[in-house]
Amino acid sequence: SQQGEEDPQALSIQEGENATMNCSYKTSINNLQWYRQNSGRGLVHLILIRSNEREKHSGRLRVTLDTSKKSSSLLITASRAADTASYFCATCHPWGAQKLVFGQGTRLTINP
Amino acid sequence: SAVISQKPSRDICQRGTSLTIQCQVDSQVTMMFWYRQQPGQSLTLIATANQGSEATYESGFVIDKFPISRPNLTFSTLTVSNMSPEDSSIYLCSGQTSGRTSSYNEQFFGPGTRLTVL
Repeated sequence: SQQGEEDPQALSIQEGENATMNCSYKTSINNLQWYRQNSGRGLVHLILIRSNEREKHSGRLRVTLDTSKKSSSLLITASRAADTASYFCATCHPWGAQKLVFGQGTRLTINP
Repeated sequence: SAVISQKPSRDICQRGTSLTIQCQVDSQVTMMFWYRQQPGQSLTLIATANQGSEATYESGFVIDKFPISRPNLTFSTLTVSNMSPEDSSIYLCSGQTSGRTSSYNEQFFGPGTRLTVL
């Protein structure tokens, strides 16, 4: 069953601005992972955040997790044209045997 | 992190034929998975590839249509059988490591195989 719901479905911003994408899920998780996909190619792993963590950083990326609201957000600061891609959240559930359930994704466009 | 390669990267096939996709991981992984991504859609899990035994399929996917092998910890194949245009998708394999390392539980993906069925 589809767990992850992402919003917005599409986001267009100017280079240099910050981009925020949100992900919600329905049942308890072990962890939540964010991925980037450029033009229908393979997925690039960005960040994994565990259920007992609230925030993680990696370079210009900041991920938060609120298990009480069953939601996560991905913030990209100082966006660049190269950040143009689709971004997916994927949840790993205690009942899922390490399987990931993907959200529908956010298509991010950075305008120069 | 594991580096995953897939062959072929893309193919155009005729209806009714079969295609086998190979997935190679550069290090041993505990879990390997196969996903399908239909045009403009998100990823859907097809099955978990189990080493030395039959794969575990998700609802809506069957072994006769998507036979999977995993003879060792670093290699797996997915066959798309008796193809129809509805099978046109990107097929991706992934691997996940185990053990108490910083990348524990992270799932890494191959570059995908873009399949077009005419």
